[in-house]
Amino acid sequence: EVQLVESGGDLVQPGGSLRLSCAASGFTFSSYSMHWVRQAPGKGLVWVSFINSDGSSTIYADSVKGRYTISRDNAKNTLYLQMNSLRAEDTAVYYCARDGYGTYDYWGQGTLVTVSS
Amino acid sequence: DVLMTQSPLSLPVTLGQPASISCRSSQSLVHSDGNTYLNWFQQRPGQSPRRLIYKVSNRDSGVPDRFSGSGSGTDFTLKISRVEAEDVGVYYCMQATHWPWTFGQGTKVEIK
Repeated sequence: EVQLVESGGDLVQPGGSLRLSCAASGFTFSSYSMHWVRQAPGKGLVWVSFINSDGSSTIYADSVKGRYTISRDNAKNTLYLQMNSLRAEDTAVYYCARDGYGTYDYWGQGTLVTVSS
Repeated sequence: DVLMTQSPLSLPVTLGQPASISCRSSQSLVHSDGNTYLNWFQQRPGQSPRRLIYKVSNRDSGVPDRFSGSGSGTDFTLKISRVEAEDVGVYYCMQATHWPWTFGQGTKVEIK
């Protein structure tokens, strides 16, 4: 059974940093590209970042470019999102999602990031 | 970015009655490989999104056959033939033909 389990969400002050993790199991993690998608409270879904299967290619939404870094450790079956210079508007539930080629075929349960003083 | 526009944004439905959600894209979603990467997701209250439909009309395993997807080019529809109580939630269309992948605003389905 495919499982994606996010962790690392927390309350952080504006300008602070946080690293999210997504532990994958039930599939060959190293064969799949992965994404981070976020959802602000009461709002819709927004794509944040992409990484290909071997980590050699990454893409970011303009809103997070230069502040966020996506990475992965295929030996540990784990996806990461390093978030720096956090702003109030980054407050959201962050989901990791598996890239099923032209789709998100599996999602994690999400982890809440709150940016507030 | 490709703009995905859903309507309606709120859809009160009587149990057992049909429901239909429209999703329109600002550009054709036909990929150069010939596929149309239009997906539908359901998000029940307090849950993470769940894929229902991929490539316009392919239903995921475990998804009831009362859900169906159709459309082409820039115009797509999700239909629920007979709404059940468990269908309450927000439904999103999403395109993955063009980078960045983008979602519609979501349609909230509730029971009258």
